[in-house]
Amino acid sequence: EAAVTQSPRNKVTVTGGNVTLSCRQTNSHNYMYWYRQDTGHGLRLIHYSYGAGNLQIGDVPDGYKATRTTQEDFFLLLELASPSQTSLYFCASSADWESSYEQYFGPGTRLTVL
Amino acid sequence: AQSVTQPDARVTVSEGASLQLRCKYSYSATPYLFWYVQYPRQGLQMLLKYYSGDPVVQGVNGFEAEFSKSDSSFHLRKASVHWSDSAVYFCAVRGQVVGQLTFGSGTRLQVYA
Repeated sequence: EAAVTQSPRNKVTVTGGNVTLSCRQTNSHNYMYWYRQDTGHGLRLIHYSYGAGNLQIGDVPDGYKATRTTQEDFFLLLELASPSQTSLYFCASSADWESSYEQYFGPGTRLTVL
Repeated sequence: AQSVTQPDARVTVSEGASLQLRCKYSYSATPYLFWYVQYPRQGLQMLLKYYSGDPVVQGVNGFEAEFSKSDSSFHLRKASVHWSDSAVYFCAVRGQVVGQLTFGSGTRLQVYA
């Protein structure tokens, strides 16, 4: 069973604040993803990565940076947080191209920007 | 661009009743289709997938889905629901780019005793 962990599980910050969300997967998956989940929108892809040092832009990247430091670790950075970024954030991973649509999700981080 | 529509934001059924959750997709080529479930305070888990072949695919916990190319649909079904099936269900279709999934807005299922 694939294991994806996220930290913190909950985060409150103020407008203009600096936030880093962390994700780790322990299954040697190559692909990792960051999504945000908002009512009425389902999940929307922010950034994703094919491997350490690689970064790809998703569908809603504005206001977000990401960095993949190792195969296991993928970070999402909000350098000037805004209330519109209040959301539930999920990290996911998948093994390779053939199974890249079978994604394994972490438990989520709830971010509130005041 | 690909898209997924789940027309029912909420569905309420009694325990033991049958269930159908609707999903319509838009995709220019052969779609890869998925159903994911999100239990309270958890991440998403894949229920089943369709790549090709038999249009009826079986998933975990008694769920199945039927692919229809003519109708551009991939509806999820279960013959008899249990209270533990209460969750949010997402339909998804593969994106144009490797690894990308496009999700519908989700259907919240409430099963009452």
